[in-house]
Amino acid sequence: NAGVMQNPRHLVRRRGQEARLRCSPMKGHSHVYWYRQLPEEGLKFMVYLQKENIIDESGMPKERFSAEFPKEGPSILRIQQVVRGDSAAYFCASTGGQAYNEQFFGPGTRLTVL
Amino acid sequence: DQQVKQNSPSLSVQEGRISILNCDYTNSMFDYFLWYKKYPAEGPTFLISISSIKDKNEDGRFTVFLNKSAKHLSLHIVPSQPGDSAVYFCAASNSGGSNYKLTFGKGTLLTVNP
Repeated sequence: NAGVMQNPRHLVRRRGQEARLRCSPMKGHSHVYWYRQLPEEGLKFMVYLQKENIIDESGMPKERFSAEFPKEGPSILRIQQVVRGDSAAYFCASTGGQAYNEQFFGPGTRLTVL
Repeated sequence: DQQVKQNSPSLSVQEGRISILNCDYTNSMFDYFLWYKKYPAEGPTFLISISSIKDKNEDGRFTVFLNKSAKHLSLHIVPSQPGDSAVYFCAASNSGGSNYKLTFGKGTLLTVNP
């Protein structure tokens, strides 16, 4: 976990509001993955990004969800018009260097939609 | 369609004994397997991994065994310690391309009793 930063750690939104989740990868890592964990479930892949590129968004819901990883700054997962079913823990992971297979996770953002 | 399965939701072991956590997968394209440990309200922490070209990998108290023909892997913890109590996730990836997205099982809650 060391080095991958996520904020906020907890986020409460009312239905219809927007949620923005941020992820700063480990120093030297340029690959970011986002996962979602619903209660009593494992983590599910959402999107894989490199700097300024979305590589694989096959796990993202088609509507309301978007992600970016700009040249400067953190990766952002954006959820528009949140619904109660979006309540979950959202984790990002980063890889880089020699060990692309080993992803290091952040502490997660727990989103609660009222 | 769950491609990675952890069929035991929970496991209870006495301190000092061996813990064996099991994982099955269905996708024969998976060629890299990882175990993560997760405490409540934290992100997953990488434990140990194994490539499909190997059948065993050892790191201290942790050993992972891979049986490709059975599409089965297991994590052995010897000796088990109370601090090992956590949820353990098995994950798999296909490293054939450059996308190392992970597919997770639902996890096994390990409780090590003093």
